[in-house]
Amino acid sequence: ELKVEQNPLFLSMQEGKNYTIYCNYSTTSDRLYWYRQDPGKSLESLFVLLSNGAVKQEGRLMASLDTKARLSTLHITAAVHDLSATYFCAVINYGGATNKLIFGTGTLLAVQP
Amino acid sequence: KAGVTQTPRYLIKTRGQQVTLSCSPISGHRSVSWYQQTPGQGLQFLFEYFSETQRNKGNFPGRFSGRQFSNSRSEMNVSTLELGDSALYLCASLLEPAFQETQYFGPGTRLLVL
Repeated sequence: ELKVEQNPLFLSMQEGKNYTIYCNYSTTSDRLYWYRQDPGKSLESLFVLLSNGAVKQEGRLMASLDTKARLSTLHITAAVHDLSATYFCAVINYGGATNKLIFGTGTLLAVQP
Repeated sequence: KAGVTQTPRYLIKTRGQQVTLSCSPISGHRSVSWYQQTPGQGLQFLFEYFSETQRNKGNFPGRFSGRQFSNSRSEMNVSTLELGDSALYLCASLLEPAFQETQYFGPGTRLLVL
């Protein structure tokens, strides 16, 4: 069964600093997603990464995918308080006729002023 | 365009009762998936439906069931509720073919079982 691990589970950082969240998955996957969740809210789609070496950026967030290492990273540049949320990565099993998402444990990001 | 809608948004039930949750996907989306989110287990896949057929099912007991209608709206039902069924139930909608698409999540139904 495909497993997804995220680290760290909790990240407290100061405004203006940079940091990276890591997402490892156990078997081949052809799609990797990053989502954001605010407290008490639903999941907001951030990025879809489809191929080895894919890099996507939106504002202060940049996501990348290394399918050979089965690793995705979400890099936060010059963090601001508005980025405080829980971030999830999720993958889909390769080759199956399914859109079943396997989620990581989530990373709770707290940006302190 | 309108997003994924879920009803009801909040629900309080007692043990042993049953509950039905509804999800209307984004117009044109025929794939609907359901997920359960709890603090202890995180986000777990329940079912996936496409064109009224269940395409995949997660590792949940038979008390959890679902269906999809011809207009792509989906319902999930939980019978004989247990305390551990208290959770946020999220529905996701997807445009097929899906390779480059993201799954869009609804606001969720928060179920509390007393």
